[in-house]
Amino acid sequence: QQQVKQSPQSLIVQKGGIPIINCAYENTAFDYFPWYQQFPGKGPALLIAIRPDVSEKKEGRFTISFNKSAKQFSLHIMDSQPGDSATYFCAASRAFGNEKLTFGTGTRLTIIP
Amino acid sequence: KAGVTQTPRYLIKTRGQQVTLSCSPISGHRSVSWYQQTPGQGLQFLFEYFSETQRNKGNFPGRFSGRQFSNSRSEMNVSTLELGDSALYLCASSLFGGGYTFGSGTRLTVV
Repeated sequence: QQQVKQSPQSLIVQKGGIPIINCAYENTAFDYFPWYQQFPGKGPALLIAIRPDVSEKKEGRFTISFNKSAKQFSLHIMDSQPGDSATYFCAASRAFGNEKLTFGTGTRLTIIP
Repeated sequence: KAGVTQTPRYLIKTRGQQVTLSCSPISGHRSVSWYQQTPGQGLQFLFEYFSETQRNKGNFPGRFSGRQFSNSRSEMNVSTLELGDSALYLCASSLFGGGYTFGSGTRLTVV
């Protein structure tokens, strides 16, 4: 059973645009929602994470928006750059991240100059 | 500060063989998790070790096993390899769990 659904599968955005990646979860016991960035040949790297007691969190050009009632969260990348081209994964966990991560299927993002 | 180190980076094995992958976590990190990444199934949780004890286990057959040593280094073993075991195997470490830092993975190809 896929517990975290991620969309779109791929996304092409012009430099300076704001790509948005969406995720939806089913398990209401999830209470920790991180986003990971993965470049080819590398492992996923933690970008930013949010807990359900806040609706938005910003770190640099990356913003997570969280809608607890809809069980959805999204990643926005402001002023996107070609160097942001990577695969992005949302994930969810229980016990504030102390249990296993359940990952979305990933979004391949391409930023064109 | 050294990151999570996984060895070897690449491995080619024959169907039916067994393989052992190694992971050295970030110094001081006591939790080590293993994930399998494939194009079809994405990132799937294998198991987690904390202070040498398996704390969580994913839905993989018993051919997949792991262990953690007193210095927090971890190994995972896959016996009787199948073609479908070809994947990128990722290790991640954290202090207590959560906020995981991933290694670059071991690319296993089964032929």
